[in-house]
Amino acid sequence: DTEVTQTPKHLVMGMTNKKSLKCEQHMGHRAMYWYKQKAKKPPELMFVYSYEKLSINESVPSRFSPECPNSSLLNLHLHALQPEDSALYLCASSQDGHWDQPQHFGDGTRLSIL
Amino acid sequence: SQQGEEDPQALSIQEGENATMNCSYKTSINNLQWYRQNSGRGLVHLILIRSNEREKHSGRLRVTLDTSKKSSSLLITASRAADTASYFCATGTTDSWGKLQFGAGTQVVVTP
Repeated sequence: DTEVTQTPKHLVMGMTNKKSLKCEQHMGHRAMYWYKQKAKKPPELMFVYSYEKLSINESVPSRFSPECPNSSLLNLHLHALQPEDSALYLCASSQDGHWDQPQHFGDGTRLSIL
Repeated sequence: SQQGEEDPQALSIQEGENATMNCSYKTSINNLQWYRQNSGRGLVHLILIRSNEREKHSGRLRVTLDTSKKSSSLLITASRAADTASYFCATGTTDSWGKLQFGAGTQVVVTP
């Protein structure tokens, strides 16, 4: 079992829908990440939150909107997505974002855009 | 952009054999990490090796790092069917707080 929990596991949505992905960790970590992963490719970083503040946005389109309500929770709000946004979305956490720390990943949300 | 390139892209071996995969990177690093990803699951951290270390072991895993050649290798000894997964190297640097640069990955299939 992973210590980072992501819900839902699967999501199918139309291009006009609004939905949210949720991520939760109870390891006391202060850095949390969103990644996008296409089939047979490595994860691509989207956002990093450090101490509940957005510290990195990798030029992600505004149809993806991250939110960190508290140190244990991370959301990714989705609106007006495109078919090419279909992918596995992974959440991860680390102690405080230092480059010398391992990241702990959830099992992801598999997103399909119709 | 990807910092690491992995070789081979795919590897098929029998149970009990050793599996070796390599990772090369372009810029100076502070650490290199290896992750495993089973099909349909998230990534699992395997091992972290710092730039001042040359070799590290964890169970059946052995990682080497050669900073002069900007390369690392992961050896899995006495492989099992459960080792079937994709393996990614990832590099971290002091000027990339929170950012890991992942390699393209090596798909390993271990047949019984």
